[in-house]
Amino acid sequence: NAGVMQNPRHLVRRRGQEARLRCSPMKGHSHVYWYRQLPEEGLKFMVYLQKENIIDESGMPKERFSAEFPKEGPSILRIQQVVRGDSAAYFCASSPPDRVEQYFGPGTRLTVT
Amino acid sequence: KNQVEQSPQSLIILEGKNCTLQCNYTVSPFSNLRWYKQDTGRGPVSLTIMTFSENTKSNGRYTATLDADTKQSSLHITASQLSDSASYICVVSVTDSWGKLQFGAGTQVVVTP
Repeated sequence: NAGVMQNPRHLVRRRGQEARLRCSPMKGHSHVYWYRQLPEEGLKFMVYLQKENIIDESGMPKERFSAEFPKEGPSILRIQQVVRGDSAAYFCASSPPDRVEQYFGPGTRLTVT
Repeated sequence: KNQVEQSPQSLIILEGKNCTLQCNYTVSPFSNLRWYKQDTGRGPVSLTIMTFSENTKSNGRYTATLDADTKQSSLHITASQLSDSASYICVVSVTDSWGKLQFGAGTQVVVTP
């Protein structure tokens, strides 16, 4: 059973461009969570999704950020018109239906130049 | 103010020695407390999960304790190895939601030969 997959592992974008981060949960997992980790800081919750539903997006910035988890395919975190402050590591985690444990992917490191 | 505080911020220990990391939290009510290990450039990996009714839980050379009355937890590493060099993160799961995780900033442990 492959772990949580994230791609790309590293992403460089210029200010104003769009960033798309992908997350494939573990097989059998229907819950996906996105977190952001700024340098020297702890992980911060962004959004919790189930298939085709956003359950909790209380940690998402109100503008430029969106997330989806379609019926087929990976979950996508989309950042429009990136700014330097968006530079961070973005981690995805998935959990099985009981939601007791979250399994983290390796992260995508976004650098905005 | 972060609801999960960890100390020390960083720690250097000699290979073979023991160490103890501390976590104080104000999250309430909480359903469980977790300790994760995060290697540099990787996603967090779960070490232990404890509910409020559990006092201690071990995973190999890692032993976590929990005092729900004082809202304190510790992680003890026995006979440290070079591979223990990592960030150790205390995470509390909130009860009054779907189990949203609140992360501490982590303790950076460096084991030297």
